[in-house]
Amino acid sequence: DTAVSQTPKYLVTQMGNDKSIKCEQNLGHDTMYWYKQDSKKFLKIMFSYNNKELIINETVPNRFSPKSPDKAHLNLHINSLELGDSAVYFCASSQAHGGYIADTQYFGPGTRLTVL
Amino acid sequence: EDQVTQSPEALRLQEGESSSLNCSYTVSGLRGLFWYRQDPGKGPEFLFTLYSAGEEKEKERLKATLTKKESFLHITAPKPEDSATYLCAVDYTSGSRLTFGEGTQLTVNP
Repeated sequence: DTAVSQTPKYLVTQMGNDKSIKCEQNLGHDTMYWYKQDSKKFLKIMFSYNNKELIINETVPNRFSPKSPDKAHLNLHINSLELGDSAVYFCASSQAHGGYIADTQYFGPGTRLTVL
Repeated sequence: EDQVTQSPEALRLQEGESSSLNCSYTVSGLRGLFWYRQDPGKGPEFLFTLYSAGEEKEKERLKATLTKKESFLHITAPKPEDSATYLCAVDYTSGSRLTFGEGTQLTVNP
């Protein structure tokens, strides 16, 4: 009964290819996120969706396009992959968005992307 | 500039040797401060949320505290299984985004 799951766990591909990472949560949460963890282990937010609506879009190249078919799923599609895209990508979810106090975000196991 | 800084970067302890990890933040309008544990090859695992200065939370050998400028994660009598990277993150905007520190890598030797 995994709460936040991602596929694939590992992704190795050539420069210039297009790839997708899938994320699903079974927590009944309304908000989902994508974070990138670089080689120095620093986690940084990329996108956030609330009820299938894009809420946060950080300074991310437009080669990255998130898609949320429903509030339990948030996929990340990456076009024309570059060497610098190599990182671990984490999906997360939380109960709600905004509000007076912050909701806890729960993270998936990560997808390690290696671009050769 | 809004910032989250964790110290030390790395910490080695002997089993049973208590210590503290620090997370200092320079943001305004804190909505929540979070502590996560991350094991190699895994996603961050939620430990605690602290919302206001003076708040404390405990879980087994871990205790998190919060002031207006920093948070401490106290580890009492650690065991080797406590070895991990501990991440601090703050939410200080209405957009529910987490700003992470760079983490403290804790190693507990038997």
